[in-house]
Amino acid sequence: KAGVTQTPRYLIKTRGQQVTLSCSPISGHRSVSWYQQTPGQGLQFLFEYFSETQRNKGNFPGRFSGRQFSNSRSEMNVSTLELGDSALYLCASSILGGSEQYFGPGTRLTVT
Amino acid sequence: AQSVTQLDSQVPVFEEAPVELRCNYSSSVSVYLFWYVQYPNQGLQLLLKYLSGSTLVKGINGFEAEFNKSQTSFHLRKPSVHISDTAEYFCAVSDRRETSGSRLTFGEGTQLTVNP
Repeated sequence: KAGVTQTPRYLIKTRGQQVTLSCSPISGHRSVSWYQQTPGQGLQFLFEYFSETQRNKGNFPGRFSGRQFSNSRSEMNVSTLELGDSALYLCASSILGGSEQYFGPGTRLTVT
Repeated sequence: AQSVTQLDSQVPVFEEAPVELRCNYSSSVSVYLFWYVQYPNQGLQLLLKYLSGSTLVKGINGFEAEFNKSQTSFHLRKPSVHISDTAEYFCAVSDRRETSGSRLTFGEGTQLTVNP
């Protein structure tokens, strides 16, 4: 079974721009969660989608948004990028939620 | 709300020595417990999990962990480490209530460095 895939793997953007990251979960998994990883703040939960509905949301500003499609693929969008948004963005999928999550390789976003 | 504390930010050990990475958690509700490993420039890989049942859980690569409810701890152990175990290790918890979804709360991570 293929694992969680994320595209692109690396991204360089300029402050003020917006960016969209994509995540394809493991086949059959309906829950997709997003996390931000930085050296200073560690791993922080952004949001979770289950059956196309946002089920859970972390403590991030409204510039961070996401969605999930009927095939469970998910995208997250960050508008008006700031230097502090530079991070590794990780996507994870699980079958039902509340159980173990499987992570993708991440998208490394650099904001200059 | 939950919180996770990994008591050591860095653990250097020699190859073939035993190792223990310590994790304590705090939660007002019952939780699931996990250990993940992250190699450089990669995502997180699930090492092991405690969902219910026996408090001693075995994972991949020879790792095991013991859930201690009274001490709210979930320490990770390996009897003999290899150079290839060098990586960052994260302890995490999630709320057992199905309505809470899949939100994981992570510790700050422990960098395990295995020296020859």
